[in-house]
Amino acid sequence: EPEVTQTPSHQVTQMGQEVILRCVPISNHLYFYWYRQILGQKVEFLVSFYNNEISEKSEIFDDQFSVERPDGSNFTLKIRSTKLEDSAMYFCASSPKQFGKYNEQFFGPGTRLTVL
Amino acid sequence: AQTVTQSQPEMSVQEAETVTLSCTYDTSESDYYLFWYKQPPSRQMILVIRQEAYKQQNATENRFSVNFQKAAKSFSLKISDSQLGDAAMYFCAYRDYYTGTASKLTFGTGTRLQVTL
Repeated sequence: EPEVTQTPSHQVTQMGQEVILRCVPISNHLYFYWYRQILGQKVEFLVSFYNNEISEKSEIFDDQFSVERPDGSNFTLKIRSTKLEDSAMYFCASSPKQFGKYNEQFFGPGTRLTVL
Repeated sequence: AQTVTQSQPEMSVQEAETVTLSCTYDTSESDYYLFWYKQPPSRQMILVIRQEAYKQQNATENRFSVNFQKAAKSFSLKISDSQLGDAAMYFCAYRDYYTGTASKLTFGTGTRLQVTL
């Protein structure tokens, strides 16, 4: 069964460093998402992406964040200058294109980001 | 903005018994979707069950069923014949009904379910 994959599973970085979190969505999916979950808290939406552009972004997704689909298979989240409060689990999700129907979002296993 | 509230931070159930997790939400939309996601210790997000707001019939998936009360904006999850593998964090989530757009999920704060022998 196809699944969303994410790499790395755990990333440790120093404050102020740039990180890139990678996701490979399910191959025939066209809608992509990033969510984050700070330890012990709820899952929060960051950004959605469709047709090579951002569809929606939350207040969390400020100028330090960017997303890209560089090669038609990968979907990346970049944090330019990490802060301590960026430490969280980051989930990638994807969903197929089905006009007028339900679009289930399939989640990847997450990348745990630790900022020291 | 839509909000999702889960008022039970923790619940406990004995193996083989039934437990109900509560969820309420707030929206001005008439068409939307509701979900329950399970997050085991591995932290993978797994879809348990979904409900379309335009359907009056409550969704069921094997041992999992929902009680959807649209007027009350309530969406509870019932787990029957609880198993040790059901122990996890359960999140209620909401999504607007859009066609052709990447609409986001809005999650509640979660309910941690413990299953005891």
